[in-house]
Amino acid sequence: LAKTTQPISMDSYEGQEVNITCSHNNIATNDYITWYQQFPSQGPRFIIQGYKTKVTNEVASLFIPADRKSSTLSLPRVSLSDTAVYYCLVGDPFSSNTGKLIFGQGTTLQVKP
Amino acid sequence: KAGVTQTPRYLIKTRGQQVTLSCSPISGHRSVSWYQQTPGQGLQFLFEYFSETQRNKGNFPGRFSGRQFSNSRSEMNVSTLELGDSALYLCASSLQGLAGTNEQFFGPGTRLTVL
Repeated sequence: LAKTTQPISMDSYEGQEVNITCSHNNIATNDYITWYQQFPSQGPRFIIQGYKTKVTNEVASLFIPADRKSSTLSLPRVSLSDTAVYYCLVGDPFSSNTGKLIFGQGTTLQVKP
Repeated sequence: KAGVTQTPRYLIKTRGQQVTLSCSPISGHRSVSWYQQTPGQGLQFLFEYFSETQRNKGNFPGRFSGRQFSNSRSEMNVSTLELGDSALYLCASSLQGLAGTNEQFFGPGTRLTVL
């Protein structure tokens, strides 16, 4: 399973766009990139998943360059409630390992008023 | 649709005891995974069950075990508890990737404190 590297922490202010970058140099051909969000004392929650280029949903956008060695989670106009830990994961969603998520240290995002 | 439920939510045990945690997945989900979360080690994968069989296993000692029943409900057992087993234990269920995503749905967790 490819290892991921992301910043330990980030600060932002309400209303700003936040971009969290994740490095995954050893990503395999069949791997997808997935982001989870976790609030204190709660389980992680799926945010977005993508394979290449750009993916957007109602919560976030995910940008993946052509070499797929990194990815950027973009949160538009964050609010205080977006303060959480964000995890970047890499894996093959079609393999028998789909139930085995390997979490790194994550990025703690602190949104300030 | 009801989410993943875990019982109990909080548990206090003493060293040497054993504990059993329960997880009910989302209806229709056949994969159930367990994770341990501690401030020092972060979120660590314990094991995954699919159709009553352990399909994946993390790097935890044999004191940690689990099982899955025919209705997909799962239990996790920890024997001979140690202080270091104090953690938030999370259960997650998924549709098994058939939809082209390995999205896992997590429960609220069981907070285990070992004294």
